[in-house]
Amino acid sequence: DVKVTQSSRYLVKRTGEKVFLECVQDMDHENMFWYRQDPGLGLRLIYFSYDVKMKEKGDIPEGYSVSREKKERFSLILESASTNQTSMYLCASSSYPGLGTASTDTQYFGPGTRLTVL
Amino acid sequence: GENVEQHPSTLSVQEGDSAVIKCTYSDSASNYFPWYKQELGKRPQLIIDIRSNVGEKKDQRIAVTLNKTAKHFSLHITETQPEDSAVYFCAASFDAGNMLTFGGGTRLMVKP
Repeated sequence: DVKVTQSSRYLVKRTGEKVFLECVQDMDHENMFWYRQDPGLGLRLIYFSYDVKMKEKGDIPEGYSVSREKKERFSLILESASTNQTSMYLCASSSYPGLGTASTDTQYFGPGTRLTVL
Repeated sequence: GENVEQHPSTLSVQEGDSAVIKCTYSDSASNYFPWYKQELGKRPQLIIDIRSNVGEKKDQRIAVTLNKTAKHFSLHITETQPEDSAVYFCAASFDAGNMLTFGGGTRLMVKP
C-alpha cells in the first residue's frame, strides 16, 4: 500500500519566516510533486521532481523552492512566507512509466498541510 | 500549457439520481485523464482514469467518457449514495514528465 506522508497537518507561521514542508513516500517512486489547493482553483502544480536533485517548475513556482536530496523525500521551501501563501499544500508521488511506454501512472497524495501565514 | 475547465462547480442531487461532471481541456496532446475524489478533510484519491485510446470506461457505478475531437471528458455516477458526497477533480496530462493539470473541482452533495 502506497504511503505518502507530510511533516505537519497544520502549520501557522508569520510573514517573512522561512517555512519548510516535508514529504516522504515509501514506494520508491521516481516522481514527486507539490501542489497547492485553493477553493475554486483546484490543485495547482508548484514544482515537481523526476529524480534526485532534479526539479522542474510547475504552473506557480514564484515564491517557492524545492529540494530533493533523497529519492523518498521532497521538500517545499517558502523563503519568506507571505499571507497570500496561506493555503493547503499537497504532496504527491508516482512511478516513472518508463521510456517508450505510452502510460502515465497514478499520483498518490499525502494528507496535506494547511499553512496559515499571519 | 494545458488548461482544464470543470463544470459545474457545485452539484446537488437526490440519492439514487445520476450525477454528471464535465471537463474540457485545451492541449490536444493530452492522452491521460484521471478523476480524483476528495472527501472532507482527506487526501484526493484516484477513482477512475481513461487513456486516449478508449472512448469509455466503466467501474461499477462510475463511468468516464472521452471525446478527443471535442476535447472533453465526463464523469458519470449512477445511483448516487450519500457517501458519494465529496469534491471531484478531473485532470489531464500527456506522457512526458507525468505532470497533471487539474480542473477547479466540483462539490457533489447527495441528499438522502
